[in-house]
Amino acid sequence: EAGVVQSPRYKIIEKKQPVAFWCNPISGHNTLYWYRQNLGQGPELLIRYENEEAVDDSQLPKDRFSAERLKGVDSTLKIQPAELGDSAVYLCASSPPHRAGTQYFGPGTRLLVL
Amino acid sequence: KNQVEQSPQSLIILEGKNCTLQCNYTVSPFSNLRWYKQDTGRGPVSLTIMTFSENTKSNGRYTATLDADTKQSSLHITASQLSDSASYICVVSPNTDKLIFGTGTRLQVFP
Repeated sequence: EAGVVQSPRYKIIEKKQPVAFWCNPISGHNTLYWYRQNLGQGPELLIRYENEEAVDDSQLPKDRFSAERLKGVDSTLKIQPAELGDSAVYLCASSPPHRAGTQYFGPGTRLLVL
Repeated sequence: KNQVEQSPQSLIILEGKNCTLQCNYTVSPFSNLRWYKQDTGRGPVSLTIMTFSENTKSNGRYTATLDADTKQSSLHITASQLSDSASYICVVSPNTDKLIFGTGTRLQVFP
């Protein structure tokens, strides 16, 4: 069974530029999460989707971050414009129906903002 | 405030030695506690999960303990291998929808 797929794996951009990350969850997993992980820290939840609905986006900096999951499968996380402090690993995770505590993580996208 | 604290922050051991990582939490209510292993450049992978009624759970050379009264957990690694070098993250869930992550312990195993 394929795991959670993320792309790109690495991204280097200059500040004020836009950037987008893509995630393909495990087939059949209706819940999708985006996390941000700073160096030496645990992941912090940015947004959680149940199918195509964002049910928890309280930690998403909405002035520059946006996310979508139009068909309830793949998801895209966008930052526009990026700031130096956005440098981090962006992790996507998914969980099967009724087992939200069992999350499977993708490899992450490592973002460096110069 | 729901918090998960881990110690030590980092640890270096020699191959073949045992080690124990600690996790203290102030999460309430409590649903379950997980230990994740995160290799460099990879996403976290679940090692063990324990509910309130469980006080120990093993996965190969990894053994997790849970004391729900003192809100403490430990992860013991036996006969460490080079491949055990990773960050180990303690994660507590107050309900089925949320995970509270610790900051992790970075373990390095040297030959």
